[in-house]
Amino acid sequence: KNEVEQSPQNLTAQEGEFITINCSYSVGISALHWLQQHPGGGIVSLFMLSSGKKKHGRLIATINIQEKHSSLHITASHPRDSAVYICAVNTGNQFYFGTGTSLTVIP
Amino acid sequence: ETGVTQSPTHLIKTRGQQVTLRCSSQSGHNTVSWYQQALGQGPQFIFQYYREEENGRGNFPPRFSGLQFPNYSSELNVNALELDDSALYLCASRTDTGSPLHFGNGTRLTVT
Repeated sequence: KNEVEQSPQNLTAQEGEFITINCSYSVGISALHWLQQHPGGGIVSLFMLSSGKKKHGRLIATINIQEKHSSLHITASHPRDSAVYICAVNTGNQFYFGTGTSLTVIP
Repeated sequence: ETGVTQSPTHLIKTRGQQVTLRCSSQSGHNTVSWYQQALGQGPQFIFQYYREEENGRGNFPPRFSGLQFPNYSSELNVNALELDDSALYLCASRTDTGSPLHFGNGTRLTVT
């Protein structure tokens, strides 16, 4: 069993749509990270959360510690949002990663 | 611009050989971690260093080893390369364990 599960694995959306990516985890964590990976491999950190909700531009991330669940929302999606989104949890001295959600936004 | 650079960008090695991958972090980033990402998979945590001491390790054998230097650079060494070691290797640094991760662009290692 994976410590971090993401859904969906693949997602195709029309430009402008509201998008939600989900992440569930089974371990105790000190923080949860949402990452964005573009073709070619570079990874950008979008959010680091330990509680509540964070917003940056069109991106919103929430976490429910009791339910061990986090969501990443993209409002008014745009083709430049097309990427792989990865959820990762930090347990202190360990990291566990989801397998990623591949998002394609069609103009 | 993350300020984290990795070298080389690509590398081809033969099974059984040894390889050293390098990561240069931003000044003040006392924590560095290394990850292996196979094609189509999420990254897997190899280990983490804080102020030159390993303080966390994933499920990787001892032939994966590392070093962190006082100048905020670090190395990942892999001995006795196996075909399954072919992957993208990423490093990430941060000021401390409560800070966001800053990733390098990775080194793509191919073992033939």
